[in-house]
Amino acid sequence: GAVVSQHPSRVICKSGTSVKIECRSLDFQATTMFWYRQFPKKSLMLMATSNEGSKATYEQGVEKDKFLINHASLTLSTLTVTSAHPEDSSFYICSATPGTATYEQYFGPGTRLTVT
Amino acid sequence: GENVEQHPSTLSVQEGDSAVIKCTYSDSASNYFPWYKQELGKRPQLIIDIRSNVGEKKDQRIAVTLNKTAKHFSLHITETQPEDSAVYFCAASDRGGNKLTFGTGTQLKVEL
Repeated sequence: GAVVSQHPSRVICKSGTSVKIECRSLDFQATTMFWYRQFPKKSLMLMATSNEGSKATYEQGVEKDKFLINHASLTLSTLTVTSAHPEDSSFYICSATPGTATYEQYFGPGTRLTVT
Repeated sequence: GENVEQHPSTLSVQEGDSAVIKCTYSDSASNYFPWYKQELGKRPQLIIDIRSNVGEKKDQRIAVTLNKTAKHFSLHITETQPEDSAVYFCAASDRGGNKLTFGTGTQLKVEL
């Protein structure tokens, strides 16, 4: 149980284009999903908290107009990197919490974004 | 906000030895402390967690201890095996027990 998927696993895009990453909870409903960014050999940095049916809460320093988050259903959250630039290249990972009575976060496999 | 420090950044042990990784946190209201194992290019996997109402938790070769007064918690791996080699992250929850702040990670290498 508690499986989270992410799509795509890898994406290469040109500078100035937008990229959408999907995060799905496959066998549970997730009222809350989280988006992280991880640089090589570094820790996970929380970008935003995504709540189903409401606006995402962004961490300080994260541009909400650049990293658009939509949590359209209890099993799907999307992250769109708009007008991507080479400095946006990174490993993006989502996680989901199975419910309000538990704190455990289960992670997706991540998406490797390369902006050329 | 919460600040989590993790030590050491790298740890090399011989197979069969024990490994200990330590973390400290800053927010006394934090009440949930998970540990994740991440292999290269893979997702972090929850290996053990502890809540603030207990001081120790064990699962086979893995144990976690928590000292709320000192605001530190530790991961203990006994009888290490080569497949334990990975990066380990500690984390601490925010006041709502929801948002996690991660430590900087420990690269554990178990040598034959």
